This record gives sequence, C-alpha cells and structure tokens, in this order.
Amino acid sequence: AQKVTQAQTEISVVEKEDVTLDCVYETRDTTYYLFWYKQPPSGELVFLIRRNSFDEQNEISGRYSWNFQKSTSSFNFTITASQVVDSAVYFCALSEEGEVTFGIGTKLQVIP
Amino acid sequence: DAGVTQSPTHLIKTRGQQVTLRCSPKSGHDTVSWYQQALGQGPQFIFQYYEEEERQRGNFPDRFSGHQFPNYSSELNVNALLLGDSALYLCASSFRGEGYQETQYFGPGTRLLVL
Repeated sequence: AQKVTQAQTEISVVEKEDVTLDCVYETRDTTYYLFWYKQPPSGELVFLIRRNSFDEQNEISGRYSWNFQKSTSSFNFTITASQVVDSAVYFCALSEEGEVTFGIGTKLQVIP
Repeated sequence: DAGVTQSPTHLIKTRGQQVTLRCSPKSGHDTVSWYQQALGQGPQFIFQYYEEEERQRGNFPDRFSGHQFPNYSSELNVNALLLGDSALYLCASSFRGEGYQETQYFGPGTRLLVL
C-alpha cells in the first residue's frame, strides 16, 4: 500500500518569506517516483518536479527547491522569497507502476 | 503544442443518470489516467488506459468504466450517478515509454454536479 502524508493543511506567509511544504511517504517498493504539483484556483494541476527513488540529489529551480531524503521518506518543497502568485494548493504524489497516490494537499496563502 | 484537453468543463446531472466525460491527451502521449477530486481532497486514482486496455484500477466501483480509442483519446463513463459522485474529474496523460511511467500532465478537469 502507498501513502502520502502532507501534515500541513494550510500555511499563510507574508510575501518574500521562505516557506517549506512537508511531504512524507510510505511504500514497500524500491522503485517509485515522487512528484509535486501545484493547483491554482482554476483547478488545473501543474507539474513542478519528478524524482525517482534512485536519485536523492536535491534540486533547485529558480525560487523552488526540493529536498529528497530516503532515510526519512521525505520529499520536502521550499519556496524562497514567496510571491502572491505562489498562492495555491500544492500536492505531493507517489507513483508506483502506473498508480499515483496524492496527498491531501497543502493550501499556501501568500499575503502581500 | 496542445496540452491535455477535457470536455465538457461543467456538467449537471441528476441521481441515477449516466455521464460520459472525454479527454484528449497531450501530443505524443499514449497513456491516459483518470482521477476524481472531491472538494478539499487530493485526486483519487480511478484507472489508467494504455493500448486501449485498462491497465491499473483504483478503488472505484464498476459503475466507473472507461475506454481508450486508437488515437489515444479516452472516455470516462459513470452509471447510476450518486450524489457522492459530485467532484472534479481530472484526466492526465503520459508517455509509457520503456515500461516505466513518465510524468503525468493534467487537463483542466470536468466539474460534475449530481443533484
């Protein structure tokens, strides 16, 4: 069975603050993929990053960075210098052989 | 390059009716997955189609069925609608590639309301 836990249901930060969204996963498989998606109010899920279970290298893309740690089964997402446009629901997801399990999502509100 | 498209965008049905939702995958993609997203929840996997066959299925009753056409587009059918079927239905496409799953790209969804 797969499980994805996003313990933070809602976060509010003031613009320009850094914010980290937590994601903890459970799987018995050795080969799996982890994803982060952004869902703005329009509803469409926007792909942000994909990481496979064999690649623990952290990644930075502009103001976004991801910290993947297999030892703690975590795949955390940090937004640096947050902006109002970052306000959305962010989902962490785990994929194994075609089936993707999403977390409940973290609603991020960036206040101007 | 068109992304994933879904139709219709919104739909209102009554209990007991049947509904068909449609999805066209992103160009170059051959796999379509369907998800149900209830308000305030994460998307729940319904099933995935590849080579016109259902390959994976989540924990959904047989009232939920699907089809994939030779052009890779897909339909989701729901029979005997219940109030609890009201949700955003998301379609995602990907390229199956060499036997592993590539990133899924999502469409804008169909918002279904059952009265």
